[in-house]
Amino acid sequence: KQEVTQIPAALSVPEGENLVLNCSFTDSAIYNLQWFRQDPGKGLTSLLLIQSSQREQTSGRLNASLDKSSGRSTLYIAASQPGDSATYLCAPIFNKFYFGSGTKLNVKP
Amino acid sequence: DGGITQSPKYLFRKEGQNVTLSCEQNLNHDAMYWYRQDPGQGLRLIYYSQIVNDFQKGDIAEGYSVSREKKESFPLTVTSAQKNPTAFYLCASSISDLNEQYFGPGTRLTVT
Repeated sequence: KQEVTQIPAALSVPEGENLVLNCSFTDSAIYNLQWFRQDPGKGLTSLLLIQSSQREQTSGRLNASLDKSSGRSTLYIAASQPGDSATYLCAPIFNKFYFGSGTKLNVKP
Repeated sequence: DGGITQSPKYLFRKEGQNVTLSCEQNLNHDAMYWYRQDPGQGLRLIYYSQIVNDFQKGDIAEGYSVSREKKESFPLTVTSAQKNPTAFYLCASSISDLNEQYFGPGTRLTVT
């Protein structure tokens, strides 16, 4: 059974800071990995998909990296804004999607 | 405007009643999924379907049933056999299995 761990569970930062969210998983034989954000009471919004052949993927202020050998992915958010406040979930994909419990981010104005 | 719709947004039922949650997509995706989300836990897979007229059980299928008669639609029935049905239910789809997933807005079910 795959274990997906997201650290930290919660994070509060002042606006403008660069920050890193971490995701670790127990098997290096990953297919792809997807990062999502979830606002309270809402569905998940896809942020980035990293294919197993890629080491990183960028979208605007977001950059996600994937290190299969160490079983880790990071999501880097540059110049954080209050609108970035949400829960961020990673989902490594093996024979199915496995979801972490998320990192709850609060960006203070 | 392409996307996934779920209805209703909130649903209240009495214990012992079956209830059906709707999920529709107009993305022309082959694969569709149902997840359950409980506070402080990751998403758990209930059922998934890779193609019309076919579906498989996920990790927590007991007390749930699905059908996939049309490509666009994947309704989930929560039966009275589900011991703890109160939760947030999320539907997702992808162009094919194991590819990028897109989620609907969710249905919050409360059973009393």
